[in-house]
Amino acid sequence: DIQMTQSPSTLSASIGDRVTITCRASQSISSWLAWYQQKPGKAPKLLIYKASSLESGVPSRFSGSGSGTEFTLTISSLQPDDFATYYCQQYNSYSGTFGQGTKVEIK
Amino acid sequence: EVQLVESGGGLVQPGGSLRLSCAASGFTFSNYWMSWVRQAPGKGLEWVANIKQDGSEKYYVDSVKGRFTISRDNAKNSLYLQMNSLRAEDTAVYYCARPRVTASLGAFDIWGQGTMVTVSS
Repeated sequence: DIQMTQSPSTLSASIGDRVTITCRASQSISSWLAWYQQKPGKAPKLLIYKASSLESGVPSRFSGSGSGTEFTLTISSLQPDDFATYYCQQYNSYSGTFGQGTKVEIK
Repeated sequence: EVQLVESGGGLVQPGGSLRLSCAASGFTFSNYWMSWVRQAPGKGLEWVANIKQDGSEKYYVDSVKGRFTISRDNAKNSLYLQMNSLRAEDTAVYYCARPRVTASLGAFDIWGQGTMVTVSS
């Protein structure tokens, strides 16, 4: 099975900061990677699909990059609404494994 | 409106069974792979199972193989998860989820509101 490892687990940042979250796959997943944002008590929200494609309606300050086994989610200028937990998910194989999550907190 | 609505959660004793349902509306349900994803209290997301459009292929996370069964009824626009031999570690919010395109297994753009399953004596 493909394992997904996110880093860091927690990130403290200020409004306006540039934030980068990394996701590593245990084997190549080509570009079959998605990023989600989740707030407490809510279902996840899709941000990025196919590693770098921005989902409709998602602000352009979110961007994704990478292929193979190394991927990043970048928030170019952190906004108050962005404090949340972020997950990556691979969908190269029949098991849609998620990373363990990165919580973005207010510094 | 495209929507998924789960039901069937509740409190069950260890070793017991529960059947979750997910009612789909606003899109052609039979065109999509569908999945169940769960989240234990205070923990991350865990993919549980998925099922092909016609029900001919099903995949499960190792921890539920042999205990959970995913199924669908395209005539009723419904997805199901039969959960048997439940354990405390199955306690979680269970979400049904739809991928953004019909050929995809992931990148879920539509999620239900979730239904809570608590396994406890």
